[in-house]
Amino acid sequence: DTGVSQNPRHKITKRGQNVTFRCDPISEHNRLYWYRQTLGQGPEFLTYFQNEAQLEKSRLLSDRFSAERPKGSFSTLEIQRTEQGDSAMYLCASSLDPTGRAYSNQPQHFGDGTRLSIL
Amino acid sequence: AQKVTQAQTEISVVEKEDVTLDCVYETRDTTYYLFWYKQPPSGELVFLIRRNSFDEQNEISGRYSWNFQKSTSSFNFTITASQVVDSAVYFCALSDGMNTGFQKLVFGTGTRLLVSP
Repeated sequence: DTGVSQNPRHKITKRGQNVTFRCDPISEHNRLYWYRQTLGQGPEFLTYFQNEAQLEKSRLLSDRFSAERPKGSFSTLEIQRTEQGDSAMYLCASSLDPTGRAYSNQPQHFGDGTRLSIL
Repeated sequence: AQKVTQAQTEISVVEKEDVTLDCVYETRDTTYYLFWYKQPPSGELVFLIRRNSFDEQNEISGRYSWNFQKSTSSFNFTITASQVVDSAVYFCALSDGMNTGFQKLVFGTGTRLLVSP
């Protein structure tokens, strides 16, 4: 049973560049989440998908951020014109909601994260 | 609004000591889930437990036990006979229907546990 996979593990880029991260969820999971974690803090919710539909976006997700899950499988998170404040660990999680009713949602399982450093 | 407070920033113990990690939560919803996750130095968040608001029974899993008390809005985590491999940051989290639709998790700031030999 493979877990959530994220690539790359580390990304170092110059301010102003665009970056894209990929997340492959656990295969049967229909829900996929993105979180951001800064040093010494707990993860903060960014957005989530049910299958290919993006159902909620946090106010933390500025216009420079875009997430997709084109076929309801893997997801990408792109940050355009990166800024120093974007430096963080970006975590992806997935879960199975067998009935589609929110209360039945199973626990979220997380990947190893992508650590982004902006020079 | 919902909030999770983990007042202990860092705890240091010697191997084989018992240690309790505190978690206090706030929500106006009557239906919610509480979670504990472990984050070792490698970075991956490892799911440990989920409890729903209607089940106040304490739970034990090996050396781990959890004490859920709605009267004090607390969901504390105890590790018995700690081991060096328990060293990690532990996060408590909350998900409710009113604020999150049981989707997003609201995390505390974490407690770093250091277990020395």
